[in-house]
Formats: sequence, structure tokens, C-alpha cells
Amino acid sequence: NAGVTQTPKFQVLKTGQSMTLQCAQDMNHEYMSWYRQDPGMGLRLIHYSVGAGITDQGEVPNGYNVSRSTTEDFPLRLLSAAPSQTSVYFCASGGLGYNEQFFGPGTRLTVL
Amino acid sequence: GENVEQHPSTLSVQEGDSAVIKCTYSDSASNYFPWYKQELGKRPQLIIDIRSNVGEKKDQRIAVTLNKTAKHFSLHITETQPEDSAVYFCAASPNFGNEKLTFGTGTRLTIIP
Repeated sequence: NAGVTQTPKFQVLKTGQSMTLQCAQDMNHEYMSWYRQDPGMGLRLIHYSVGAGITDQGEVPNGYNVSRSTTEDFPLRLLSAAPSQTSVYFCASGGLGYNEQFFGPGTRLTVL
Repeated sequence: GENVEQHPSTLSVQEGDSAVIKCTYSDSASNYFPWYKQELGKRPQLIIDIRSNVGEKKDQRIAVTLNKTAKHFSLHITETQPEDSAVYFCAASPNFGNEKLTFGTGTRLTIIP
């Protein structure tokens, strides 16, 4: 099992550009989520999904879109990148309920 | 929504001593409290978790205690070792499990040899 994979590992964007961060898991987990990690602010939930076709907003959803067309994939789209979106992005997956969330390796995004 | 506060932000402990990290939460409906460890440049990994119907849980050198009345929970690491050096995050969720976790801001633990 590859677990949770994320691509790319690093990305530099210019203000106003759009891009998609990819996340995939091969553990048949129902729950998937996206977090951003900024210094001194911990992990903040952007969007999450409890199954294919179902998504919901987290704590900081503005400027991001998600979709969940399959159980395995949960891409995060930045519509118009802003410097405030410079961060490390983690995708995570887990079984519903009292189960561990497994994190991907992260994507370091810089917006100039 | 839920708000989780974590203290201290940094902690230095002599090797072999104990370390305690404390978190408070705001939503009395929260019922799941995991702790994650993140080594430098790595992804967060679950080290221990506790549900609201349990007051304490232990796994070798790591223990977590929960006080629902006071709405706080703590991580205890005994006999600390250099490999315990990392950032530790607490989290809370009111959704009967790992759905919609709210994380604390993290504690950077340094073990002094």
C-alpha cells in the first residue's frame, strides 16, 4: 500500500494563477480531508469529505474548491492564488468514526 | 465552532524526565481527542487518542488524561528520550470520531541529552 500520496511536493505560483493539488489514497477510506499548516497556527481544516460525492467546508474554506468523484481521490483546487495561501498543505484519510487519520507527505506551496 | 488551546508552545526537558502538554477545548459536545506527533519536515502521525467515555489511556511511556468537566486533556510522556523531540498537536472533534478535527497550535518538545 502506498498510503496517502500527494503531488506535487513543491510548487511556486504567481498571484492570480490557479492550480490543483492532488491527493490519493489506496486504503479504501471513506473520510478524506485537507489541512493547511502555517507557523504557530497548527493544522487548520480547509475541506473534508465523508464519501464519494459528499464534501463540506472546514474552518478556512475561502479560495479553495474540492470534489470527490471517487473514493480514492480528493483534489484541492486553488481558484486564484494569493500570497496568503502560501503554506504547507496536508491531505489525510481515515475510516469514519474513531479511527486514525493518515496524513500524506505534504505539498509546500509558495505564492509570489 | 470548536476552539482548542494548547500550552506550552515550547518545552525543554532533560532526557529521562517527564513532559506534560495541556489542551483545553470549548465545545462540550466534543468526544474524541487524538494527539499527533510531527517530526521536523515529516507528516503528522497519531500517537494516542482518547474518547470522552474514558478518563485515562496509557500506551507504554505515553498517557493521555481527560477531564470533561473542566474541558481539558493532557499528554504525559515519561522517561523521555531524544527521539521524543518533535512538535506535538492535540485535537478535538464533536462528530463521533475523526471527522472535522480542530487542532491546537502545537508544542515543540526538545529533549536535552
